[in-house]
Amino acid sequence: EAQVTQNPRYLITVTGKKLTVTCSQNMNHEYMSWYRQDPGLGLRQIYYSMNVEVTDKGDVPEGYKVSRKEKRNFPLILESPSPNQTSLYFCASSPSLGTGGDYGYTFGSGTRLTVV
Amino acid sequence: QKEVEQNSGPLSVPEGAIASLNCTYSDRVSQSFFWYRQYSGKSPELIMSIYSNGDKEDGRFTAQLNKASQYVSLLIRDSQPSDSATYLCAVYPQGAAGNKLTFGGGTRVLVKP
Repeated sequence: EAQVTQNPRYLITVTGKKLTVTCSQNMNHEYMSWYRQDPGLGLRQIYYSMNVEVTDKGDVPEGYKVSRKEKRNFPLILESPSPNQTSLYFCASSPSLGTGGDYGYTFGSGTRLTVV
Repeated sequence: QKEVEQNSGPLSVPEGAIASLNCTYSDRVSQSFFWYRQYSGKSPELIMSIYSNGDKEDGRFTAQLNKASQYVSLLIRDSQPSDSATYLCAVYPQGAAGNKLTFGGGTRVLVKP
């Protein structure tokens, strides 16, 4: 089954304790992206990757890191989480952007992160 | 001005009626347009994509695109209680937004039995 897999689904952590949210896709997509979703603010892009070893900042990159060492994986790293990073996080992938057609994003199931 | 705008709702629709959702965008160069459905606490799910002016139908859903007026709409015919969700409009490209879909804030739809 074609899918984007995120783990964990739920995570409660303490301020300052490094964590990683994993994201893996099995569709050989080139493009992958991380979003956070907060009430009243909608979906905001954190980082994206156009291909292996190619990453760039989105709208709200502060406090996050990413890497793309393999095409299928795009982990999100919070080096020192803070309470304002409490949010619902989504990983998404796409064959590519900019070519029109039916390419949208396929989203992972989400990670609800709480930082206390 | 927001880049992609949607009425937040809620849009209350009787079961069996047509739900009409609208989305406007600010950049004339936008080429690709998407509608996603998101149930509370779940991930967005792609419903429709459209990139040519006019209508595109898929089952009970019809997307309408008017690039001259810079709006895209979604019609849900024969609305069912299971259609109660938030519907997100997404546009590519959008201004200087770079390589991403730009999402509207979503319209919450409530279908009442």
